[in-house]
Amino acid sequence: EAQVTQNPRYLITVTGKKLTVTCSQNMNHEYMSWYRQDPGLGLRQIYYSMNVEVTDKGDVPEGYKVSRKEKRNFPLILESPSPNQTSLYFCASSLYGISSTDTQYFGPGTRLTVL
Amino acid sequence: GNSVTQMEGPVTLSEEAFLTINCTYTATGYPSLFWYVQYPGEGLQLLLKATKADDKGSNKGFEATYRKETTSFHLEKGSVQVSDSAVYFCALAQGSNTGKLIFGQGTTLQVKP
Repeated sequence: EAQVTQNPRYLITVTGKKLTVTCSQNMNHEYMSWYRQDPGLGLRQIYYSMNVEVTDKGDVPEGYKVSRKEKRNFPLILESPSPNQTSLYFCASSLYGISSTDTQYFGPGTRLTVL
Repeated sequence: GNSVTQMEGPVTLSEEAFLTINCTYTATGYPSLFWYVQYPGEGLQLLLKATKADDKGSNKGFEATYRKETTSFHLEKGSVQVSDSAVYFCALAQGSNTGKLIFGQGTTLQVKP
């Protein structure tokens, strides 16, 4: 089954404790992206990757890191999480990017709480 | 910069009522426009899309027309069902095959039997 998976689905952590949220897709997609969803703000893009070893900032990259060493995986790293990073995080992928002919598939989400 | 503005929710309708969710955008040129839907507890799914002026995207009874003159992409459905209850997001992508996607704040729709 074609899908985007995220782990963990739920995480409660404390300020300053490094964490990684994994994202994996099995559709051989070149494009992957991370978003955060906050009430009243919709989804905001954190980072995206057009291909292996190619990453770029979205609208809210501060406090986050990403890497794209292989096509299927796009982990999101919080080196020193803070309470304002408490949010619902979504990973997404598509074949080549955001376009009228390409469909973006979303993962189920990771709910992160930073105390 | 580019931005998307949606009408504030929640929107509460009775089953079989007509739905309109307003979406306006700010962008240069001709962005691609999208509507995504998020059912409770799930990730987002693409609902429909349009790429140029006067294009009409449609899916599952929902429609939206790309209006360049009013910079709008309003979502409509003639007769909503309880199963349409969800959060709807309007989104914009500048250029073709780009990496950046800008979302509106989302509009919650609740349909009552």
